[in-house]
Amino acid sequence: EAGVVQSPRYKIIEKKQPVAFWCNPISGHNTLYWYLQNLGQGPELLIRYENEEAVDDSQLPKDRFSAERLKGVDSTLKIQPAELGDSAVYLCASSFDRESPLHFGNGTRLTVT
Amino acid sequence: QKEVEQNSGPLSVPEGAIASLNCTYSDRGSQSFFWYRQYSGKSPELIMSIYSNGDKEDGRFTAQLNKASQYVSLLIRDSQPSDSATYLCAVVDRGSTLGRLYFGRGTQLTVWP
Repeated sequence: EAGVVQSPRYKIIEKKQPVAFWCNPISGHNTLYWYLQNLGQGPELLIRYENEEAVDDSQLPKDRFSAERLKGVDSTLKIQPAELGDSAVYLCASSFDRESPLHFGNGTRLTVT
Repeated sequence: QKEVEQNSGPLSVPEGAIASLNCTYSDRGSQSFFWYRQYSGKSPELIMSIYSNGDKEDGRFTAQLNKASQYVSLLIRDSQPSDSATYLCAVVDRGSTLGRLYFGRGTQLTVWP
């Protein structure tokens, strides 16, 4: 089966600019996650979707971050405006359901200068 | 905030030895536990999942779960240099953040030839 696909792999932007990340989950996986990972840390959840509904977004900084999952398949995560502290790896993952193992995409490494 | 704690590492073992990685978690109601391996610059990949008390073996890997002690471990037998990576413990919360997957900071393992 095809894995979780993310794009872009790398992104360098200046602070205050907008940026968007895209994710296509594994076919049939109803649950989609966006995680943030800083160097030397474990991934931290930003938002979790079950189908098209955001069921856990309490850790998403909603003043600058937004996400959507149209039709319960692909998802987009946006940051506007970006800050220096947003530099990190953004990981998308999907699973069959909330109790099943997550499968991660290759991630997007964001650098904000 | 739920906690998943891993021994700080780094852990260094010779080739052929047993590597022991440990993890404790704070949510007594957790039922699903995972170990992920993450190579430098790569995304986490699932290596073991465990749901019941006791041991679960898969090749050179054995996961051990003790829910009473809120403890999960991963043993790697006959360690190989290719096992050198960061190992992340992850626990599904069954409490207020129902279904959220929490990760530990990871333990960096180095297997030297």
